[in-house]
Amino acid sequence: GNSVTQMEGPVTLSEEAFLTINCTYTATGYPSLFWYVQYPGEGLQLLLKATKADDKGSNKGFEATYRKETTSFHLEKGSVQVSDSAVYFCALNSGGGADGLTFGKGTHLIIQP
Amino acid sequence: KAGVTQTPRYLIKTRGQQVTLSCSPISGHRSVSWYQQTPGQGLQFLFEYFSETQRNKGNFPGRFSGRQFSNSRSEMNVSTLELGDSALYLCASSFSGTGEGEQYFGPGTRLTVT
Repeated sequence: GNSVTQMEGPVTLSEEAFLTINCTYTATGYPSLFWYVQYPGEGLQLLLKATKADDKGSNKGFEATYRKETTSFHLEKGSVQVSDSAVYFCALNSGGGADGLTFGKGTHLIIQP
Repeated sequence: KAGVTQTPRYLIKTRGQQVTLSCSPISGHRSVSWYQQTPGQGLQFLFEYFSETQRNKGNFPGRFSGRQFSNSRSEMNVSTLELGDSALYLCASSFSGTGEGEQYFGPGTRLTVT
């Protein structure tokens, strides 16, 4: 079946540091890949997505590239801010959505001023 | 455009009772999916409704059921509540379903079973 693996953290960084959150996946077929973010007390917000190999998703300074050869979709940001503190979820969708979105466990990111 | 709304936001129930949660999707969206979020299991897919029909279902017992109305609003029901059902229940809407991938989530209903 489908699965997503990501570091759970917490990951603690200083403001303006470089961020990488690793995400690898196992899936049948050709999945679409997503990063969602969850702020305290809120639901999930789509951060970025990529639907085919070598696609790069980007939004709000975050980027992730769909790497089929390494089955990865690592999230990066060049300079993080305190407001980026949240839980980040890597997710995939395959098989026409029959299993819904498959999520990783989530990475808790803490940015210190 | 208004986002996905879920009611109630918080709920406390006793083991053995049943509960109904409600989700109103974004206007024009025909698909509503439900997910359970717990610290141990993370986010897990419950089911998807599209145009009043259950289209996809996750690996949950029959105590978990749902329905969708003609205005696309959806309800989720859990019968004979167990302590392990304590979780954040999220619903997500999209125009054409989970196969589309991009889903818009509500704030969730926090269910506590005592």
